[in-house]
Amino acid sequence: HLQLLKSGPGPLKPSETLSLTCAVSGGSVNSIAYYWGWIRQPPGKALEWIGSIYSSGTTYLNPSLKSRVTISVDTSKNQFSLKLTSLTAADSAVYYCARHNTVAGIFEVLPGSVDDWGQGTLVTVSS
Amino acid sequence: DILMTQSPDSLAVSLGERATINCKSSQSVLYSFDSKNYLAWYQQKPGQPPKLLIYWASTPESGVPDRFSGSGSGTDFTLTISSLQAEDVAVYYCQQYYTTPLTFGGGTKVEIK
Repeated sequence: HLQLLKSGPGPLKPSETLSLTCAVSGGSVNSIAYYWGWIRQPPGKALEWIGSIYSSGTTYLNPSLKSRVTISVDTSKNQFSLKLTSLTAADSAVYYCARHNTVAGIFEVLPGSVDDWGQGTLVTVSS
Repeated sequence: DILMTQSPDSLAVSLGERATINCKSSQSVLYSFDSKNYLAWYQQKPGQPPKLLIYWASTPESGVPDRFSGSGSGTDFTLTISSLQAEDVAVYYCQQYYTTPLTFGGGTKVEIK
């Protein structure tokens, strides 16, 4: 199961950095069976994939956010984290941590469907 | 990016009747090397995270009621609820995992008529 831990006070102001951590229970972030990812959803809108990380450290990021996103894994705490810099109001959304099934690409393992989701946390960016 | 387009945006169906949701991808999500469609369906109820219903376009996730089924191949896919129950009121999303960036459809809201 995934437990989303939100770091720092809210709401956030434009230009600030969002930091979120997701604690994994009942499994290991070192598992080769899963990717660990972040997905967001502006209120009343559709889902947007932010990025995902594998136990090897391989990371895939949405090009639309790539320059502002860092996803990392802390194996000692069995957690993974998201950092999103230079926030604007457009980054206001519910942020979910997620566990992806893996799919076997021709040359590498890739993130697939999401079979477990954290509870989500609403992030509001406002001046 | 692969654009996922769902239709309709919303639909109202009587209890016990069939609900059909369509999802079209801007390019094929059928991988030739394994003949699998890299497409999933999710159900999201208000205030909750999405829940995986179907993966590989037609494989039900464990525990999903058998009234939910997925079909289609290539670029055109369908999620069918064979006999709508009150607890099926939700927004449904399709998602492709053929390539990154992973992308989702805009969602279809299912209500009771």
